[in-house]
Amino acid sequence: GAVVSQHPSRVICKSGTSVKIECRSLDFQATTMFWYRQFPKQSLMLMATSNEGSKATYEQGVEKDKFLINHASLTLSTLTVTSAHPEDSSFYICSARDPRVLNYGYTFGSGTRLTVV
Amino acid sequence: RKEVEQDPGPFNVPEGATVAFNCTYSNSASQSFFWYRQDCRKEPKLLMSVYSSGNEDGRFTAQLNRASQYISLLIRDSKLSDSATYLCVVNEDDYKLSFGAGTTVTVRA
Repeated sequence: GAVVSQHPSRVICKSGTSVKIECRSLDFQATTMFWYRQFPKQSLMLMATSNEGSKATYEQGVEKDKFLINHASLTLSTLTVTSAHPEDSSFYICSARDPRVLNYGYTFGSGTRLTVV
Repeated sequence: RKEVEQDPGPFNVPEGATVAFNCTYSNSASQSFFWYRQDCRKEPKLLMSVYSSGNEDGRFTAQLNRASQYISLLIRDSKLSDSATYLCVVNEDDYKLSFGAGTTVTVRA
Protein backbone atom coordinates (compact mmCIF):
# COMPACT_ATOMS: atom_id res chain seq x y z
CA GLY A 1 0.00 0.00 0.00
CA ALA A 2 0.88 3.66 -0.16
CA VAL A 3 3.57 4.78 2.25
CA VAL A 4 4.05 8.27 3.61
CA SER A 5 7.19 9.02 5.57
CA GLN A 6 7.35 11.92 8.00
CA HIS A 7 10.38 13.28 9.84
CA PRO A 8 11.30 14.05 12.51
CA SER A 9 9.05 12.01 14.75
CA ARG A 10 9.78 14.12 17.75
CA VAL A 11 11.37 17.53 18.23
CA ILE A 12 11.94 19.79 21.16
CA CYS A 13 12.87 23.36 20.41
CA LYS A 14 13.29 26.64 22.18
CA SER A 15 10.69 29.34 21.92
CA GLY A 16 11.40 31.65 19.00
CA THR A 17 13.16 29.11 16.81
CA SER A 18 11.85 27.50 13.64
CA VAL A 19 11.21 23.84 13.02
CA LYS A 20 10.92 22.08 9.66
CA ILE A 21 8.89 18.91 9.24
CA GLU A 22 9.20 16.77 6.11
CA CYS A 23 6.55 14.59 4.53
CA ARG A 24 7.46 12.23 1.71
CA SER A 25 5.36 9.89 -0.39
CA LEU A 26 7.64 6.91 -0.90
CA ASP A 27 6.01 4.85 -3.59
CA PHE A 28 3.64 7.21 -5.32
CA GLN A 29 3.44 10.77 -6.53
CA ALA A 30 1.26 13.13 -4.57
CA THR A 31 0.29 16.39 -6.19
CA THR A 32 -1.60 17.20 -3.03
CA MET A 33 -0.64 16.59 0.57
CA PHE A 34 -2.38 17.67 3.72
CA TRP A 35 -1.13 18.95 7.03
CA TYR A 36 -3.07 18.35 10.22
CA ARG A 37 -2.59 19.27 13.83
CA GLN A 38 -3.92 17.34 16.78
CA PHE A 39 -4.05 18.57 20.36
CA PRO A 40 -4.48 16.05 23.18
CA LYS A 41 -7.87 14.36 23.24
CA GLN A 42 -9.02 16.32 20.21
CA SER A 43 -9.62 15.41 16.60
CA LEU A 44 -7.25 16.09 13.77
CA MET A 45 -7.73 19.55 12.37
CA LEU A 46 -6.75 20.34 8.81
CA MET A 47 -4.27 23.19 8.74
CA ALA A 48 -3.51 23.46 5.06
CA THR A 49 -3.51 21.72 1.73
CA SER A 50 -0.13 21.57 0.07
CA ASN A 51 -0.16 21.74 -3.73
CA GLU A 52 2.86 20.78 -5.80
CA GLY A 53 4.14 23.74 -7.75
CA SER A 54 1.72 26.26 -6.33
CA LYS A 55 0.78 28.00 -3.11
CA ALA A 56 -0.70 26.10 -0.26
CA THR A 57 -4.32 26.58 0.72
CA TYR A 58 -4.73 27.42 4.39
CA GLU A 59 -7.76 26.76 6.54
CA GLN A 60 -9.42 29.63 8.31
CA GLY A 61 -7.54 30.70 11.38
CA VAL A 62 -4.20 29.22 10.33
CA GLU A 63 -1.49 31.82 9.84
CA LYS A 64 0.26 31.24 6.54
CA ASP A 65 3.26 33.32 7.57
CA LYS A 66 3.75 31.23 10.65
CA PHE A 67 3.23 27.83 9.09
CA LEU A 68 5.21 27.86 5.88
CA ILE A 69 4.47 25.09 3.43
CA ASN A 70 6.63 24.15 0.50
CA HIS A 71 5.69 21.42 -1.96
CA ALA A 72 8.64 21.53 -4.33
CA SER A 73 8.29 18.05 -5.81
CA LEU A 74 5.68 15.36 -6.33
CA THR A 75 6.99 13.40 -3.39
CA LEU A 76 7.94 16.00 -0.81
CA SER A 77 6.09 18.60 1.20
CA THR A 78 7.57 20.51 4.12
CA LEU A 79 5.93 22.41 6.94
CA THR A 80 8.02 24.98 8.77
CA VAL A 81 6.77 26.31 12.07
CA THR A 82 8.39 29.71 12.33
CA SER A 83 9.09 31.51 15.58
CA ALA A 84 7.59 28.66 17.52
CA HIS A 85 5.87 29.31 20.83
CA PRO A 86 4.75 26.89 23.54
CA GLU A 87 1.17 27.05 22.26
CA ASP A 88 2.42 25.56 18.98
CA SER A 89 3.29 22.38 20.85
CA SER A 90 1.17 19.72 19.22
CA PHE A 91 1.13 16.58 17.11
CA TYR A 92 1.55 17.44 13.44
CA ILE A 93 0.58 14.86 10.84
CA CYS A 94 0.73 14.89 7.07
CA SER A 95 -1.29 12.76 4.73
CA ALA A 96 -1.67 12.01 1.06
CA ARG A 97 -3.83 9.82 -1.10
CA ASP A 98 -2.42 7.48 -3.68
CA PRO A 99 -4.14 8.61 -6.89
CA ARG A 100 -3.83 5.11 -8.29
CA VAL A 101 -6.22 3.71 -5.73
CA LEU A 102 -9.81 4.89 -5.70
CA ASN A 103 -11.79 5.25 -2.49
CA TYR A 104 -8.98 3.72 -0.54
CA GLY A 105 -8.66 6.49 1.95
CA TYR A 106 -5.71 8.54 2.94
CA THR A 107 -2.34 7.44 4.19
CA PHE A 108 -0.83 9.32 7.07
CA GLY A 109 2.73 9.99 8.04
CA SER A 110 3.78 8.80 11.47
CA GLY A 111 3.43 12.29 12.87
CA THR A 112 5.76 14.77 14.51
CA ARG A 113 5.40 15.59 18.16
CA LEU A 114 6.57 19.15 18.62
CA THR A 115 7.34 20.49 22.05
CA VAL A 116 8.30 24.14 22.35
CA VAL A 117 9.96 25.08 25.61
CA ARG B 1 -22.20 22.47 15.04
CA LYS B 2 -19.31 20.12 14.40
CA GLU B 3 -19.17 18.51 10.99
CA VAL B 4 -18.54 15.07 12.40
CA GLU B 5 -19.61 14.02 15.88
CA GLN B 6 -18.82 10.90 17.81
CA ASP B 7 -19.55 9.61 21.27
CA PRO B 8 -16.14 9.92 22.92
CA GLY B 9 -16.76 6.94 25.17
CA PRO B 10 -14.88 5.31 26.67
CA PHE B 11 -16.46 1.98 25.94
CA ASN B 12 -15.03 -0.52 28.39
CA VAL B 13 -15.83 -4.06 27.34
CA PRO B 14 -14.60 -7.53 28.28
CA GLU B 15 -12.76 -9.69 25.81
CA GLY B 16 -15.13 -11.46 23.48
CA ALA B 17 -17.86 -8.86 23.79
CA THR B 18 -19.46 -6.94 20.97
CA VAL B 19 -19.19 -3.19 20.94
CA ALA B 20 -20.82 -0.75 18.55
CA PHE B 21 -20.85 2.99 18.18
CA ASN B 22 -22.03 5.61 15.76
CA CYS B 23 -20.87 8.78 14.14
CA THR B 24 -23.06 11.52 12.71
CA TYR B 25 -22.12 13.95 9.98
CA SER B 26 -23.70 17.23 9.03
CA ASN B 27 -22.93 17.59 5.34
CA SER B 28 -25.48 15.64 3.33
CA ALA B 29 -23.27 15.98 0.25
CA SER B 30 -20.47 13.98 1.84
CA GLN B 31 -19.14 11.41 -0.53
CA SER B 32 -16.93 8.93 1.23
CA PHE B 33 -16.72 7.58 4.71
CA PHE B 34 -14.01 5.82 6.63
CA TRP B 35 -13.16 4.43 9.99
CA TYR B 36 -9.61 4.97 11.15
CA ARG B 37 -7.92 3.56 14.19
CA GLN B 38 -5.55 5.67 16.22
CA ASP B 39 -3.40 4.25 18.97
CA CYS B 40 -2.13 6.50 21.70
CA ARG B 41 0.34 9.09 20.37
CA LYS B 42 0.43 7.48 16.94
CA GLU B 43 -0.87 8.40 13.52
CA PRO B 44 -4.34 7.27 12.33
CA LYS B 45 -4.44 4.11 10.26
CA LEU B 46 -7.21 3.14 7.92
CA LEU B 47 -9.41 0.45 9.38
CA MET B 48 -12.00 0.27 6.65
CA SER B 49 -13.94 2.28 4.14
CA VAL B 50 -17.68 2.41 4.59
CA TYR B 51 -19.86 1.55 1.62
CA SER B 52 -23.52 2.32 1.06
CA SER B 53 -24.53 -1.30 1.28
CA GLY B 54 -22.57 -1.85 4.46
CA ASN B 55 -19.45 -3.91 4.58
CA GLU B 56 -17.64 -6.35 6.77
CA ASP B 57 -13.98 -7.04 7.31
CA GLY B 58 -13.42 -9.92 9.65
CA ARG B 59 -14.78 -8.96 13.05
CA PHE B 60 -15.55 -5.40 11.97
CA THR B 61 -18.80 -4.32 10.36
CA ALA B 62 -19.49 -0.82 9.08
CA GLN B 63 -22.84 0.59 8.10
CA LEU B 64 -23.86 3.82 6.41
CA ASN B 65 -27.25 5.44 6.78
CA ARG B 66 -27.44 8.37 4.41
CA ALA B 67 -31.02 9.28 5.30
CA SER B 68 -30.11 9.81 8.94
CA GLN B 69 -26.54 10.85 8.16
CA TYR B 70 -24.69 8.46 10.36
CA ILE B 71 -22.22 5.65 10.07
CA SER B 72 -21.60 2.90 12.55
CA LEU B 73 -18.87 0.49 13.48
CA LEU B 74 -19.44 -2.82 15.19
CA ILE B 75 -16.65 -4.95 16.60
CA ARG B 76 -17.43 -8.58 17.36
CA ASP B 77 -15.47 -10.90 19.61
CA SER B 78 -13.37 -8.03 20.95
CA LYS B 79 -9.66 -8.60 21.45
CA LEU B 80 -7.32 -6.80 23.79
CA SER B 81 -5.56 -5.46 20.72
CA ASP B 82 -8.76 -3.69 19.66
CA SER B 83 -8.21 -1.14 22.42
CA ALA B 84 -7.73 2.14 20.60
CA THR B 85 -9.47 5.32 19.55
CA TYR B 86 -11.65 4.93 16.49
CA LEU B 87 -11.94 7.97 14.29
CA CYS B 88 -14.90 8.58 12.03
CA VAL B 89 -13.72 10.33 8.88
CA VAL B 90 -15.91 11.92 6.24
CA ASN B 91 -14.73 13.01 2.82
CA GLU B 92 -16.83 16.03 1.99
CA ASP B 93 -15.52 16.79 -1.44
CA ASP B 94 -12.61 15.92 -3.64
CA TYR B 95 -10.09 16.23 -0.92
CA LYS B 96 -11.31 17.62 2.37
CA LEU B 97 -11.50 15.18 5.23
CA SER B 98 -13.38 15.93 8.40
CA PHE B 99 -12.55 13.97 11.50
CA GLY B 100 -14.58 13.11 14.51
CA ALA B 101 -12.87 13.48 17.86
CA GLY B 102 -12.77 9.72 18.23
CA THR B 103 -14.42 7.00 20.27
CA THR B 104 -12.20 5.31 22.81
CA VAL B 105 -12.59 1.57 23.21
CA THR B 106 -10.88 -0.33 25.98
CA VAL B 107 -11.05 -4.11 25.96
CA ARG B 108 -10.24 -5.74 29.29
CA ALA B 109 -9.15 -9.29 29.98
